[in-house]
Amino acid sequence: GEDVEQSLFLSVREGDSSVINCTYTDSSSTYLYWYKQEPGAGLQLLTYIFSNMDMKQDQRLTVLLNKKDKHLSLRIADTQTGDSAIYFCAEGLPPGNKLTFGTGTQLKVEL
Amino acid sequence: DAEITQSPRHKITETGRQVTLACHQTWNHNNMFWYRQDLGHGLRLIHYSYGVHDTNKGEVSDGYSVSRSNTEDLPLTLESAASSQTSVYFCASSDPDRLATDTQYFGPGTRLTVL
Repeated sequence: GEDVEQSLFLSVREGDSSVINCTYTDSSSTYLYWYKQEPGAGLQLLTYIFSNMDMKQDQRLTVLLNKKDKHLSLRIADTQTGDSAIYFCAEGLPPGNKLTFGTGTQLKVEL
Repeated sequence: DAEITQSPRHKITETGRQVTLACHQTWNHNNMFWYRQDLGHGLRLIHYSYGVHDTNKGEVSDGYSVSRSNTEDLPLTLESAASSQTSVYFCASSDPDRLATDTQYFGPGTRLTVL
């Protein structure tokens, strides 16, 4: 499959904004997703963006998509300790919207 | 509430044994997927199915098989377990007819250790 890359770790202070970045390679993606995985749990869908959109905001979450550079980012405003988790970006590829996941970014929120 | 479940949640087995991991969803979704999660690799697709009697190989299908005899279940079989198959396995389902984004929903995972 195509490579989807993320940095492995991010550490922020509580109350600051977190920005998690992702680069993907396949321009035929239909949707791009952000999933959150808490310790010992499955993946929980956080948000998604259609490939013809540039930005999507959902409460504390802002997704930015730069199709030209194949770059996706997730900004979490006012980061809380409960946001500590691993965050995966994924691109959905036709047919059938099969997902290709990034390696995941572990977010650590410090007091 | 509709859900997706996996069993067992934890399994220890020996090299060479056959192992089957169960996945059951009550959403009546047509699409089901199996992934494995390993450090440094994220999630990689093993097999997937778009409906009853349909199965397809994913990125890392060697040593694994699936069968889809009904809508609700997609069991994953390791024919002869190897230590390289020690991993956490996730099942997911989706239905493009019901969800505009064809979002995949994940089970809680099965941690498999092959000794």
